[in-house]
Amino acid sequence: ILNVEQSPQSLHVQEGDSTNFTCSFPSSNFYALHWYRWETAKSPEALFVMTLNGDEKKKGRISATLNTKEGYSYLYIKGSQPEDSATYLCAFPGGNQFYFGTGTSLTVIP
Amino acid sequence: NAGVTQTPKFQVLKTGQSMTLQCAQDMNHEYMSWYRQDPGMGLRLIHYSVGAGITDQGEVPNGYNVSRSTTEDFPLRLLSAAPSQTSVYFCASSGFSGGAREQYFGPGTRLTVT
Repeated sequence: ILNVEQSPQSLHVQEGDSTNFTCSFPSSNFYALHWYRWETAKSPEALFVMTLNGDEKKKGRISATLNTKEGYSYLYIKGSQPEDSATYLCAFPGGNQFYFGTGTSLTVIP
Repeated sequence: NAGVTQTPKFQVLKTGQSMTLQCAQDMNHEYMSWYRQDPGMGLRLIHYSVGAGITDQGEVPNGYNVSRSTTEDFPLRLLSAAPSQTSVYFCASSGFSGGAREQYFGPGTRLTVT
């Protein structure tokens, strides 16, 4: 079992604040790192697939960076809005499986 | 293109009953997986399949059976339901796109065992 860790476990921010959280994964045998957005009562939705060291991906106000040598990825949300409230999951594919972190639960307070 | 579909959306079972959760995908993906979501535990892999006729156990396989007779379908069977199997179950399929494997989730089945 590969260890994928996310921090913090939960986060409350005011509307308009920018925030970021971390996903740590094994730095050896890196293939890809996935970020998902998971709203309550829905299914996880893919945000980014990151494959290259130093890669930065962006979708609207959300962006992610990747450091494969030290085994971490950051997810940033600029100017958080209440609709950003969700759990953000990262996943590390290894062998035939995806290994998920336990997620960061973000609550944006209006 | 419906993606990944799951039925039923909700189910209540009595202890000891059996049932099958259905999952289908129309993306011609070889990989399919079943996860369960429990509070504070994130997503845990139950079983997965890398192609028709090939299945393997994940992290929490006990009490569940799977089969993969076609590429499209990957049903999950609960043999004798227990209250510990109360959970939300997600089916996922994954395939390669742009050199990386991408995973898509179904809408989930919320199961309560009384």
